[in-house]
Amino acid sequence: GEDVEQSLFLSVREGDSSVINCTYTDSSSTYLYWYKQEPGAGLQLLTYIFSNMDMKQDQRLTVLLNKKDKHLSLRIADTQTGDSAIYFCAEPSGGYNKLIFGAGTRLAVHP
Amino acid sequence: GAVVSQHPSRVICKSGTSVKIECRSLDFQATTMFWYRQFPKKSLMLMATSNEGSKATYEQGVEKDKFLINHASLTLSTLTVTSAHPEDSSFYICSARDRSGWGANEQFFGPGTRLTVL
Repeated sequence: GEDVEQSLFLSVREGDSSVINCTYTDSSSTYLYWYKQEPGAGLQLLTYIFSNMDMKQDQRLTVLLNKKDKHLSLRIADTQTGDSAIYFCAEPSGGYNKLIFGAGTRLAVHP
Repeated sequence: GAVVSQHPSRVICKSGTSVKIECRSLDFQATTMFWYRQFPKKSLMLMATSNEGSKATYEQGVEKDKFLINHASLTLSTLTVTSAHPEDSSFYICSARDRSGWGANEQFFGPGTRLTVL
């Protein structure tokens, strides 16, 4: 079945870049997503990338997709304390486009 | 736009009672809503897919008689945890897909409901 894997923790200094990595298994996924979850809250869609793209940039966020290796990354430039959260990558699955989530990467930003 | 609300945000109940959680899409119509459960420091586990006007589709291992789902309108789905036990304590999150949404098929998530069963 589908599986999405992420590293669990990342610590960066404020102002540095953060790179969060994800691997997925379903090569037929049309879109891949990045969600952000702040403590005690639901998930907020950060960005997504269509499977025929290699890169997508949206302000401080850059998504890189390597379809050959089934590897997805999210780069946050100039990381701020407000970026501290859990970041989930997700791929759709099934006829209803249900989402399969990775375990989430907890990003901690320190001064 | 694309706001999803959940009610209540937090509920504490006694073991053996039933708890109903509501998920509403506030500014769009959702033919499909999803219910997830999130354990502490873990990922989201899809419990069921709720389709307006039809029976929900449950994921393997999720008891349909335990977690009753009703999707009576295009803006409301409810999850009822029947005869709740302490092991049902968790963070329940719903999401909704905009029926008029285009190809990204993005899901919009509610803020979650923290259930604690004593």
